[in-house]
Amino acid sequence: DSGVTQTPKHLITATGQRVTLRCSPRSGDLSVYWYQQSLDQGLQFLIQYYNGEERAKGNILERFSAQQFPDLHSELNLSSLELGDSALYFCASSVDRTPAYNEQFFGPGTRLTVL
Amino acid sequence: EDQVTQSPEALRLQEGESSSLNCSYTVSGLRGLFWYRQDPGKGPEFLFTLYSAGEEKEKERLKATLTKKESFLHITAPKPEDSATYLCAVKDSNYQLIWGAGTKLIIKP
Repeated sequence: DSGVTQTPKHLITATGQRVTLRCSPRSGDLSVYWYQQSLDQGLQFLIQYYNGEERAKGNILERFSAQQFPDLHSELNLSSLELGDSALYFCASSVDRTPAYNEQFFGPGTRLTVL
Repeated sequence: EDQVTQSPEALRLQEGESSSLNCSYTVSGLRGLFWYRQDPGKGPEFLFTLYSAGEEKEKERLKATLTKKESFLHITAPKPEDSATYLCAVKDSNYQLIWGAGTKLIIKP
């Protein structure tokens, strides 16, 4: 158990809908990262938040957005869903107080199925 | 352009047959190299961090090494439960993490 929690575990929805994925980082970690992993594909970095502020952006679609709240939990919002958005979505957290402490610890993921 | 390449894409071994996985990288200003293990449908599990050439780390049957151009994950006398995809990631001078595509390791009993 990495200490990172994600809810829900599974999500089934229809095209055009909007969903919200939630992540709670490990105690003491300030950074939250979101990744997408499609079937048999590699990890695609979406976005990073550090202590409430956006720090880095990857291949995140304009239909997707995220935020990190004062208690450091984060939410990833996916809207106007398409079939191709079906994937595993992972959240990871790291301390990031100094550049040396930068191992990321991953949550169990949310499996999104768009029908 | 910063790049991380893992080889082979897949590796099938017999139980007890030792081997190595490779992660080669071209990044400006390495800030760390990370190895993870991922089981199907699960989140990646952190294994090792290496920071400088010559550094080595071990955990059970796994040993990670680092040179200026590549890292190796050596697996000694593997067991079926070592079957997983092994991911390598490199942090560049901007502290951005670049992921390899992974090596799928299958250990047959």
